[in-house]
Amino acid sequence: EAGVTQFPSHSVIEKGQTVTLRCDPISGHDNLYWYRRVMGKEIKFLLHFVKESKQDESGMPNNRFLAERTGGTYSTLKVQPAELEDSGVYFCASSQGTLNEQFFGPGTRLTVL
Amino acid sequence: AQKITQTQPGMFVQEKEAVTLDCTYDTSDPSYGLFWYKQPSSGEMIFLIYQGSYDQQNATEGRYSLNFQKARKSANLVISASQLGDSAMYFCAMREAFTGGGNKLTFGTGTQLKVEL
Repeated sequence: EAGVTQFPSHSVIEKGQTVTLRCDPISGHDNLYWYRRVMGKEIKFLLHFVKESKQDESGMPNNRFLAERTGGTYSTLKVQPAELEDSGVYFCASSQGTLNEQFFGPGTRLTVL
Repeated sequence: AQKITQTQPGMFVQEKEAVTLDCTYDTSDPSYGLFWYKQPSSGEMIFLIYQGSYDQQNATEGRYSLNFQKARKSANLVISASQLGDSAMYFCAMREAFTGGGNKLTFGTGTQLKVEL
């Protein structure tokens, strides 16, 4: 069974540019989560999808971040325009039920110059 | 206040020895779950073990066990018979059933474990 996959693994962009991160959850997992870890700090929750609906987006830092999950399958997280403080590792996780363990992807390392 | 505190930024242990990684938590939620994840240098986050707040017994998974002391609000991870492959960053996390929305995980800052020969 394939795990959670994320693309790209690394992205280096300049301040003001746009970047789109993609996450493919484990097949059959309705719950999809985005987290990020800014350098030296703890991993923080961004948002949670149940199928295509946003269940909780309380962790989204500002309106430069837009997450979508069309058709309830893969999800994208777009940052537009990117700022220096957006640099970090963005993790995606999925789970079968909301109370089950979350399986994480390998993360996307985003560097904004 | 920090919800999850991991006070050991780095730990060393000799191969085949046991090691305890500390985790304390803060919540007023009566129902919560505690998780440990391992992040090797390759970057992926690997789920290790789970303890529910109502579980009567400490969770165990192979060489991993969770020393759950509810009154002290601690959930320490014990790794027995350490192996070189255990060298990694270890994160403690909590899910709160009500106050935390029931789904999102709150993480500590992690403990970097290095297993030596």
